Formats: sequence, structure tokens, C-alpha cells
Amino acid sequence: KNEVEQSPQNLTAQEGEFITINCSYSVGISALHWLQQHPGGGIVSLFMLSSGKKKHGRLIATINIQEKHSSLHITASHPRDSAVYICAVRSDFGNEKLTFGTGTRLTIIP
Amino acid sequence: NAGVMQNPRHLVRRRGQEARLRCSPVKGHSHVYWYRQLPEEGLKFMVYLQKENIIDESGMPKERFSAEFPKEGPSILRIQQVVRGDSAAYFCASSTRDTEAFFGQGTRLTVV
Repeated sequence: KNEVEQSPQNLTAQEGEFITINCSYSVGISALHWLQQHPGGGIVSLFMLSSGKKKHGRLIATINIQEKHSSLHITASHPRDSAVYICAVRSDFGNEKLTFGTGTRLTIIP
Repeated sequence: NAGVMQNPRHLVRRRGQEARLRCSPVKGHSHVYWYRQLPEEGLKFMVYLQKENIIDESGMPKERFSAEFPKEGPSILRIQQVVRGDSAAYFCASSTRDTEAFFGQGTRLTVV
């Protein structure tokens, strides 16, 4: 079992729909990251969370430390949101390295 | 994401050649991480370095791969005698302690 599990693996939605991507992890963490990767492109850090909720534009990220679960929401989705979204966790053992989920491939249809 | 510079963006090597991948972290960042993304797979940790020190290399293959982050200049990931299975995207990220990591655009290595 992977330390970081994401669901769904693939998601296709119509423009304007509300999107939710889930991430569950099985280890103690000091922080959780949500990352975005466009095909053939680099990786952009969207959020770093250690508790609660963060919002940036149409993106919202939440984390429940007790349940070891995080969600990434996109409101009013747009075709330019089409990308792979990756959840990554940083352990709480003093090592800063990230462990990644396998990613969720999001496609928004106009 | 601004500031982490990786070069080259694309690198083609024949089997048996050496590949050198460079990463200049965000100015002031002392922590550098290298990650590898194999085709159709997720990102995997390779190595974590601070200036002149390797902190964690548990994700590095035992042979042919090495990394350094000298006092001056970029971090270098070096792959000797490349094989087809080394073809992947290699990403560098930098941070300071307890801050979010900034990623570079990656180097896409193709071994022919």
C-alpha cells in the first residue's frame, strides 16, 4: 500500500463544475503539498498545508490531520485547469523530502 | 515556482554516455532535492542535499548515479554510463527549512 493515495486517478468534468480531488496518507507528516503539472511541463506548488484550510483564487485546499486526509477543490472549473494534480507529504521525522501520490489527471471539457 | 533553474531542459544521450543535470536553487535556499519521474509513473525522491553535504540519498540507485551541491555553483546530478531505463524527467526543488518547495521545469533525459 502506498503511503500517499489519491482519488480519483482520472477525472473528466464539464466547464464550470465543482471539482474535488482527495488525498489520504498513512504516515505522520509535518506538511502536505498540492502540486500541479501540465503535460510536458514543470511542477507548480499550489499549496502547503499543515492544518485547516487555504484558499487561492478558485482553489481551496483542506486538511484533516486526525483523519490523515486532504482535499483540493476547484470552483467554476475551466479548461485551463486541465492538468495532473499531485498530493505530496513531508514526514515529521526531520527529513524534508516529499513522498508523492500518483496524481489525478483532470480534464475540463468546454 | 520562480527561481529554480534547471538545465538543460532536454537532454539526449546515447547508451554508455554520461548525463549531467544542473540545478540552480532559488537565491538563499540551502536545501536541494532531486526527484525522478519515470514515464507514466509518479515522482520519486532521489536525494536531498544541503550545501556541500548529502543529507539523504536513500532514493538514489547505488551505481552510476551521484549528486553534489558545492559551496559555489549549481547542484549537479550525474548519471554515468546511461541506459535506456534512465530515460525520465528529473526535477529539482529547493527550499529553506519549513518553507514550501519550489520546483524547476525539469530536465527530460532521453537515452537512445
